[in-house]
Amino acid sequence: EVQLVESGGGLVQPGRSLRLSCAASGFTFDDYAMHWVRQAPGKGLEWVSGISWNSGSIGYADSVKGRFTISRDNAKNSLYLQMNSLRAEDTALYYCAKDMGSWLLPAFDIWGQGTMVTVSS
Amino acid sequence: QSALTQPASVSGSPGQSITISCTGTSSDVGSYNLVSWYQQHPGKAPKLMIYEGSKRPSGVSNRFSGSKSGNTASLTISGLQAEDEADYYCCSYAGSSSVVFGGGTKLTVL
Repeated sequence: EVQLVESGGGLVQPGRSLRLSCAASGFTFDDYAMHWVRQAPGKGLEWVSGISWNSGSIGYADSVKGRFTISRDNAKNSLYLQMNSLRAEDTALYYCAKDMGSWLLPAFDIWGQGTMVTVSS
Repeated sequence: QSALTQPASVSGSPGQSITISCTGTSSDVGSYNLVSWYQQHPGKAPKLMIYEGSKRPSGVSNRFSGSKSGNTASLTISGLQAEDEADYYCCSYAGSSSVVFGGGTKLTVL
C-alpha cells in the first residue's frame, strides 16, 4: 500500500525548533520529488517546500525561507523538515506529499494525514 | 510568490456544470503548463484531480476537466453530484523551484 506517515509535530514555544519526518512506503521513494504543504486551522493550503528526487533542486515559500530546511534520505525512504525560529503563524497541519514527477512538477498524487504543529507560549 | 486568485465560492445544482477559475501571472500560470487541481473534503487530505493543466490521474472521473487561457486556469465539473461538494484548490509551478496555491473555492451543490 502506498503510504506517507508524518511525525514530529507538537506544541512548541515561539523561537524554538521542531523537526518533522515523513516515512514513505509502497513506492520507489527515490524516483520522485517530495513536498511539504501546510494548512492553518480553517485556512487554505500553502506550499512550504519541495525537493527533487536527488536533492538537486530545492525550493521554499518566501514565508519560511531562511528558517526551514527540507531534506531527504533515500536510503531510509524518509523526508524531513527542520523548522527553526518558529512563529505563531507557522501553526498549521503539515502534510507530506509525493510529486508525480522526479522534479517539482508539481502534482501531488499521494498525501499523508498530516502532523499538527502549534506554536504558542 | 503571491497566491493564485480563486473565487471564494461557487454553487450549482445536481446535473449542472460549474467552472472554477484560477488567475495567476505571467510568472506562474502563464509561463508553465504545470497547473494542478485538488479536491478537499472536510477533515480529509487533499486529492489530486487534474495535473499538467488538463490531465486526469487514474481513477478520477471524466466529469472533471482542466484548461488554461493566458494567465488563467480553469477547472470544470460537469454533471454535478452531491459528493462533489468540497473545497477546491489550484496550484502552479512558479519558477525557480517554487510552487504557489490558490486561496481555495468552496463548491456548494444546491
